[in-house]
Formats: sequence, structure tokens, C-alpha cells
Amino acid sequence: SQQGEEDPQALSIQEGENATMNCSYKTSINNLQWYRQNSGRGLVHLILIRSNEREKHSGRLRVTLDTSKKSSSLLITASRAADTASYFCATAQIFGNEKLTFGTGTRLTIIP
Amino acid sequence: GAVVSQHPSWVICKSGTSVKIECRSLDFQATTMFWYRQFPKQSLMLMATSNEGSKATYEQGVEKDKFLINHASLTLSTLTVTSAHPEDSSFYICSAGGIKGETQYFGPGTRLLVL
Repeated sequence: SQQGEEDPQALSIQEGENATMNCSYKTSINNLQWYRQNSGRGLVHLILIRSNEREKHSGRLRVTLDTSKKSSSLLITASRAADTASYFCATAQIFGNEKLTFGTGTRLTIIP
Repeated sequence: GAVVSQHPSWVICKSGTSVKIECRSLDFQATTMFWYRQFPKQSLMLMATSNEGSKATYEQGVEKDKFLINHASLTLSTLTVTSAHPEDSSFYICSAGGIKGETQYFGPGTRLLVL
């Protein structure tokens, strides 16, 4: 079953602007991961943040994690047309073996 | 590194036939692989966990007799959709994981259309 909820479900912004997506989850986690999916393709891993971390950066990506609120955010700065894709958060639960539970996703459209 | 391939990338079949999808880890060994299903504009739903040398673990609501999984080697898992029906039409994606709960590497997906 889906654990995560993401908002917004869809987001359209102008190229160069920043995009922020949020993810909420329900159970205790080992880590939270963000993935990108271009239309009709597989998923690409973007970033992993562990439960004892609060913020992580990778290039134009910034991820925060608030375990007290069971939420995470993904910020993409200086967006580009190539960032147009669906973005999913996925949680790895404590004692969940290697299983990931995916959120509902945010469809991001960057307008050139 | 960490490349996962799937074959075929798309398949069209008649209702009632069986379809086999292969998932291969190309440059690493994977004792565990995962199979997901994704309907249009929806998220990924985990179907089953494929374990090398043992039976797959299916998620609640997934028919194990309909979706047969075989993990014959450390680099290959197969998903067979038996007696496929139009409602089985979907995008099937596999992944292979790293250490427990760490980054998973996803295949490009297989689009199945059952007529």
C-alpha cells in the first residue's frame, strides 16, 4: 500500500525558478529517497537522506527531512526544461528489509 | 556501474497468453530484486520481492499464481504474467537493491498491452 503522500500533485513553473515538492509518510523510516521518472521510463535515483540527517545537498538539489513531522521536501534550484519529469519520494522502513514504499508523486513541468 | 536492464521494453499480446519479462543486473550481483507495477499517471506499487534461490515474497493482493517470479541466478529475475487479461496492461518495472534499504537501481520498464 502507498505510504507517502506528495504535494503538490502537479507543479508548473518558469525555467529558472525554484521548485519545491513535499512528501509525507506514516511509519518510522531508515531512510528516505527521491527518484525522478521521465515519461514512460524507469526511475533515476536522485538523493538518499538517512533518518538521522536533516538536510542534504546534491548539485541543484536540496532535500530536508523532519522525522518529527514525518515529512521531507525536495528543492530544485534554477530549474531547467530537462527537469520536467515526475518526482517520487520513497521510504525504506526500519526492519522493512530492502523494500521501498513510494509516494504518489509530483509531476513537474518546467516552462521554457 | 549499477545498471539494470529489462527485456522486452514493450510487448503486445492476446488475452489468455502468458508473457515473460526479464530483469538483469548487468554489472553487479543482486540477491534481491523487486517487481513493481505502475498504471498511467500513478505511483509505483510493489508487487513482490524476488529472492535468489528461494520463493518470492508477494505483497498483499498480488496473485502469486498469476504473477510467477523466478530468481534463478544472482543477475536474473523473471516475471511471468500468466493468462494475461486487458486489466494486466501496465508498466512493469524491476529494481535491484544495494544493502538493506539503500539505493535501488531501476530497469527501464516493460510496457505490457493485453488485447
